[in-house]
Amino acid sequence: DQQVKQNSPSLSVQEGRISILNCDYTNSMFDYFLWYKKYPAEGPTFLISISSIKDKNEDGRFTVFLNKSAKHLSLHIVPSQPGDSAVYFCAASEGGNNDMRFGAGTRLTVKP
Amino acid sequence: NAGVTQTPKFRVLKTGQSMTLLCAQDMNHEYMYWYRQDPGMGLRLIHYSVGEGTTAKGEVPDGYNVSRLKKQNFLLGLESAAPSQTSVYFCASSPNNYEQYFGPGTRLTVT
Repeated sequence: DQQVKQNSPSLSVQEGRISILNCDYTNSMFDYFLWYKKYPAEGPTFLISISSIKDKNEDGRFTVFLNKSAKHLSLHIVPSQPGDSAVYFCAASEGGNNDMRFGAGTRLTVKP
Repeated sequence: NAGVTQTPKFRVLKTGQSMTLLCAQDMNHEYMYWYRQDPGMGLRLIHYSVGEGTTAKGEVPDGYNVSRLKKQNFLLGLESAAPSQTSVYFCASSPNNYEQYFGPGTRLTVT
């Protein structure tokens, strides 16, 4: 069962515009959420995280929003840059346990 | 700092052969993990370790074994490879069991 879902396999945006990547989860016990970015032939790299006690976390051009009632989180990238083109994975865990669940990823393409 | 390194980068095995994937980290992290990534499925946890000498099963442990004899190394073994184990394998480490630092991956093909 996929407890973390990224329903959009791909997204294309113009440079300078906003990129919004979405993630849904089914396990209401998840209390920590992360976004990872992955370039081809490399491992994922940690981007930003949010605890369930918050509804927003910002780090430079990246903001993650959490809507617990909808079991939904999103990653906003503003402004988008060509170097942001990568696959983005959403991940969630329950109480810091070791079984972090990942979504299938969304491939973002930022066009110059 | 090399971070997390994985050996080998690529490998082709015949069904029934065995092999060991090596993961090494130089960040003194307690937690280490092995994942597999298959198309359309994201990363799935195979086994993990919360410290030297400890190992535990993750979401998809069948067909794999692991060992963590030294804090900096985490080995993943396939005793009898099957085509279903064709995948990209990622190792990761973490200081706090939240943010994980990943290696570059090993692409394994079992024919």
